[in-house]
Formats: sequence, structure tokens, C-alpha cells
Amino acid sequence: KQEVTQIPAALSVPEGENLVLNCSFTDSAIYNLQWFRQDPGKGLTSLLLIQSSQREQTSGRLNASLDKSSGRSTLYIAASQPGDSATYLCAVSLAGGGGNKLTFGTGTQLKVEL
Amino acid sequence: GAVVSQHPSWVICKSGTSVKIECRSLDFQATTMFWYRQFPKQSLMLMATSNEGSKATYEQGVEKDKFLINHASLTLSTLTVTSAHPEDSSFYICSAGRVNTEAFFGQGTRLTVV
Repeated sequence: KQEVTQIPAALSVPEGENLVLNCSFTDSAIYNLQWFRQDPGKGLTSLLLIQSSQREQTSGRLNASLDKSSGRSTLYIAASQPGDSATYLCAVSLAGGGGNKLTFGTGTQLKVEL
Repeated sequence: GAVVSQHPSWVICKSGTSVKIECRSLDFQATTMFWYRQFPKQSLMLMATSNEGSKATYEQGVEKDKFLINHASLTLSTLTVTSAHPEDSSFYICSAGRVNTEAFFGQGTRLTVV
């Protein structure tokens, strides 16, 4: 059974700092990996999708890497801003779902302070 | 990205009543949709896979007679929580996506059973 773990569980940083969120998964036979953002009481916003054949993806201040063989992904946020405060979830796809059936990590709650 | 709309965003119901939640893909046809549940301070857990024109596939531990899923068209899946009880209070969220692409999520439904 696929298990996804995220470290740290919570993180508080001053504005402007670069930071790294970590995600690890136990079964390397994934279809793809996605990073999401969830604001309190809200749905999920897709940030980045990395296919299993890819090593990294970038969008603006966000960069996600994937090392499938070691079961790890990192989300790098550059020059953090208070608006980045949210819970960040990584999720890996399961077989049989066309890439969309996901197992979620435990989440990292990020707070960026002024 | 694709747009997935979920309704209602929140609902309060009395114990013993049933509640229906709708999930619509607005700009694409989804043969498969997924329903997740999120308890406070926890991550999202897959409940079931909704298949257009056929029966839903439920994850282990999810009661199919309690959580009725209907996927009658390529753009609509519904989740009905039957005879709801306080322990069913949770955040329910659906997702859909084109095959081999990223998953997009609805806004989620906060269910409170009193």
C-alpha cells in the first residue's frame, strides 16, 4: 500500500526566505506526482504536476523535483510571501486511475510572516 | 486548467437525513471522477471512484450503501450521504481530470451533521 509522508508538518518562516518542502512515498511505481495548495476550509489548487518520466517542473517561484527511484519529491518556494501561507499537499497517482487517482501526503502547514 | 464545480459548499443537516453533493466538470467530459474525504487536521483519503454508466468502486472500509455514488452523465457525479450521523461530518471533495493529465478539484463541501 502506497504511503506518502511530508516533512515538516508545519513551518513558519519570515517573508522573503527560500524554503523547501519534502515529500516521500513508499512505492516508486507511480504514474505522476502533484503538488497542491489548500487554504483553510477550501478546496485544492493544483500547483505543479510531474510525470514519472520527468525530473522537475517550474512555475513562477515554485520548483518541484522528483526522484522516483528514491521515492522523494521536493517543492522549492523562492522569496516566500505572506500570501503563500497555506497547507501544501503532495499526492502520487495510483495505477488504474489514468493518473488521477491520488494518494495524499500528510501535508505541510506553511506560515509566512511579515 | 480544467474546471470542476462542486455544490453545495457547505451543508448542515439533522442526524438521520440524507444529503446529496454534486460534482460537475464544466469544460470537459469526465468518464471517471473521484470522491475524497478529509477529517480535521488530516489529509485527504480516497473514498471511491465514480465511473460513468457503471457502478462506483469503493475503497476498503467505505460503506457503499451509506455513500451512494451516481455518475449518470459525462459531466456530473453525485455523492449521497444516506442516514447521516455526526461521525459523517467531514469535508468532502471531488476531483476529475482528463486521462494522463493533472487532477482538478472542486471547491469541496463541508458537511455538518447535528
